[in-house]
Amino acid sequence: NAGVMQNPRHLVRRRGQEARLRCSPMKGHSHVYWYRQLPEEGLKFMVYLQKENIIDESGMPKERFSAEFPKEGPSILRIQQVVRGDSAAYFCASSPRASGKGNEQFFGPGTRLTVL
Amino acid sequence: QQQVKQSPQSLIVQKGGISIINCAYENTAFDYFPWYQQFPGKGPALLIAIRPDVSEKKEGRFTISFNKSAKQFSLHIMDSQPGDSATYFCAANNQGGKLIFGQGTELSVKP
Repeated sequence: NAGVMQNPRHLVRRRGQEARLRCSPMKGHSHVYWYRQLPEEGLKFMVYLQKENIIDESGMPKERFSAEFPKEGPSILRIQQVVRGDSAAYFCASSPRASGKGNEQFFGPGTRLTVL
Repeated sequence: QQQVKQSPQSLIVQKGGISIINCAYENTAFDYFPWYQQFPGKGPALLIAIRPDVSEKKEGRFTISFNKSAKQFSLHIMDSQPGDSATYFCAANNQGGKLIFGQGTELSVKP
């Protein structure tokens, strides 16, 4: 059973460009979470999605950031007009259930975004 | 109220010793407390987790102690090995959904 997959693993963008980060959850998992890790800091929640629905986006910056999890295909985190402060590691996690036993979140290897 | 406070920030332990990392929370609605291990350049890996209906959970060399009244929980790594050198994060959530992470502890086990 393959784990959570993220691509690309490394992404370099110039200021003002768009960044698209992809996440394929583990097989059988329909809940996806995105977290951001700034250098030397812990992980901060960004958004929680279930197929075709955004459940909680309380951690998403109000501008330039969006996320989707379509019926078919991976979840996408999109950052428009990137700035240097967006440079970070972005991690995706998935879980088979929303709550209760079996809601463990398993993380992917991350996408390291560098904005020049 | 949504914070999870973790200490120490860094920890150096001799091989064979016990590593202890502590976390404290305020939100009494939290009902799931996992610990993650992260190596440089990798994603966090789920190590062990506990729910508040038990006071201790042990898996191999790793033990979580949970004190509901004090709103604290800790990770003990017995017989620490150089391969355990990594950053450890505690976390918490309420009925699923987003995990609230502690600030992390960088553990170094000296041979």
